[in-house]
Order: sequence, then C-alpha cells, then structure tokens
Amino acid sequence: SQQGEEDPQALSIQEGENATMNCSYKTSINNLQWYRQNSGRGLVHLILIRSNEREKHSGRLRVTLDTSKKSSSLLITASRAADTASYFCATGGTGANSKLTFGKGITLSVRP
Amino acid sequence: DAGITQSPRHKVTETGTPVTLRCHQTENHRYMYWYRQDPGHGLRLIHYSYGVKDTDKGEVSDGYSVSRSKTEDFLLTLESATSSQTSVYFCAIREDWEETQYFGPGTRLLVL
Repeated sequence: SQQGEEDPQALSIQEGENATMNCSYKTSINNLQWYRQNSGRGLVHLILIRSNEREKHSGRLRVTLDTSKKSSSLLITASRAADTASYFCATGGTGANSKLTFGKGITLSVRP
Repeated sequence: DAGITQSPRHKVTETGTPVTLRCHQTENHRYMYWYRQDPGHGLRLIHYSYGVKDTDKGEVSDGYSVSRSKTEDFLLTLESATSSQTSVYFCAIREDWEETQYFGPGTRLLVL
C-alpha cells in the first residue's frame, strides 16, 4: 500500500506562478523526500526533510513538514517551463535497511 | 548523474519466457533497489539488496527474483514473464550513511 498520497494529482500553472504540492502519509516516518521525474527519465532527488525539522529551503524549493498532521508540502516559487515534470513524495522509515515508500505522483505543467 | 546504468533499456518479450534486467553501478554503494512504475501506482519496491548476496523482498516481489554476486551488479529476473509484468523498471542505489536514493534511467519492458 502507498504510504504517501500526493494532492493534487495534476496541476497546471502559468510560468512565474508558484506551485504548491501536498503529500499526506499514514505512519511514523524518519524523513520525507521529494523527487522529480521528467518524461521518460529516472527520478531525481530534490530535497529531504527529517522528522524533527519543520521547514527546509533549497533554491526555489521550500518544503514543510507537519508530523502532527502527517503531511508535507512542496512549494516551487517563480515556476519555469522547465519545472514541468512529475513530482513524488517518498517517506523513509528508521533502521539501517529502511526503505522508501513512494506516492503516486503529481503531474505539474508550467505553461510558457 | 550518478553512475548507474540499466540494460536493456527496452525489451519486448513473450509470455512465459525468462527475462533478466541488469543494474550496474560505479559508485560502490551498498544498497541497491528494484522498483516498477505503473500508471496509477507510482513506484513500488520489488526487491532490494543491502550487500553482496544479501537481498530482501519488497512490496511486490511475487514473480521476481534477484541476485547480487558483486557490489556493482544487481540482477532482476522474471522467471516466466506475464503480461501483468509489463512496466517500467527502475534501479536505484543508496550510500550506507544517507537516505537519498539515486535512480537509473529505467528499462521499459513489454510482455506480449
């Protein structure tokens, strides 16, 4: 079963606008990660936030984590056409052999 | 890009035939993973390895086996391919001390 559930499933915005994507999960986590996938390519890691962190920034990306609500959001500011891709949240557990559980993904389209 | 290659990149096979997919890394990472990606399901873990000859099952392991005889190679075998195994298969690697996974380019498999 999927641990992470992203919302919305698809998002279409104009270049220059901000894009907000949400992820909810069900069980306790050690960390939550966001990945991007361009069409026909493998996933690329964007950002990781640990369970004891509330907010993290990386360039135009801002991720928040609310462990009490079991939810995270990814904000992409000043979007560009090149941001068009699928975005996945993935939750990581504890332990040496911990695994990632991925959501189904959000398709983001940025119109030029 | 992380030093991960997958072969073949595309394969068409018939139901009932054996198929082996190869993941090769040049990073000397301890952990290696096989995922499948299907529309509406996101990425699901098939098997993973935490060292040479050390493997374990993931969420959707039925019908698949794996082997890892050396650090750099992780093989995924479909003993008798079925149409339900038509999918895009991704390999990923992870260093021992971090949670981020690095993905290969994927193998597109069609079982007729």
